[in-house]
Amino acid sequence: EPEVTQTPSHQVTQMGQEVILRCVPISNHLYFYWYRQILGQKVEFLVSFYNNEISEKSEIFDDQFSVERPDGSNFTLKIRSTKLEDSAMYFCASRVVAGGSDTQYFGPGTRLTVL
Amino acid sequence: AQSVAQPEDQVNVAEGNPLTVKCTYSVSGNPYLFWYVQYPNRGLQFLLKYITGDNLVKGSYGFEAEFNKSQTSFHLKKPSALVSDSALYFCATASSGTYKYIFGTGTRLKVLA
Repeated sequence: EPEVTQTPSHQVTQMGQEVILRCVPISNHLYFYWYRQILGQKVEFLVSFYNNEISEKSEIFDDQFSVERPDGSNFTLKIRSTKLEDSAMYFCASRVVAGGSDTQYFGPGTRLTVL
Repeated sequence: AQSVAQPEDQVNVAEGNPLTVKCTYSVSGNPYLFWYVQYPNRGLQFLLKYITGDNLVKGSYGFEAEFNKSQTSFHLKKPSALVSDSALYFCATASSGTYKYIFGTGTRLKVLA
């Protein structure tokens, strides 16, 4: 069964450093998302991406964040200058474009720890 | 704005007993409602969804959910709980437009042997 994959599973970085989180969505999916979950809290939407552009972003997704689909299979989230409060689990999700009834499939997540 | 609420932080149930994890929603228009489960250090796994039609939706691992329009609820149920069902459960709705998910705060289910 196809699945969303994410690398690395755990990333430790120093405050102020850049990180890139990678995702490989399911191959026939066209809509992509990033969410994050701060430890013990709920899952929050960061950004959605369709047709090679951002379709919606939350207020969390400020100028320090960017997303890219560099090669037609990978979907990346870059944090330019990490802050302590960026420490969280980051989930990538994808779905086939079929409206709100369509299910999003989530990757296993990348745990980002900012020291 | 669309939202879902999970009123219980934790639910404890004895193995073999029926379980219910509650979710209420506030959605304009037709609600698209989902349940996901998260095991420790794992991603979110899809359990089931309600789009339209039958109010009782059956999903993975023996779970089902009942959509109740008058009470704006979408409670997750299972007739007989297993210890392995112990996990964090999230209710979600898909917003209009980009259909991003809006999650509830999650309910930790503990099934006691």
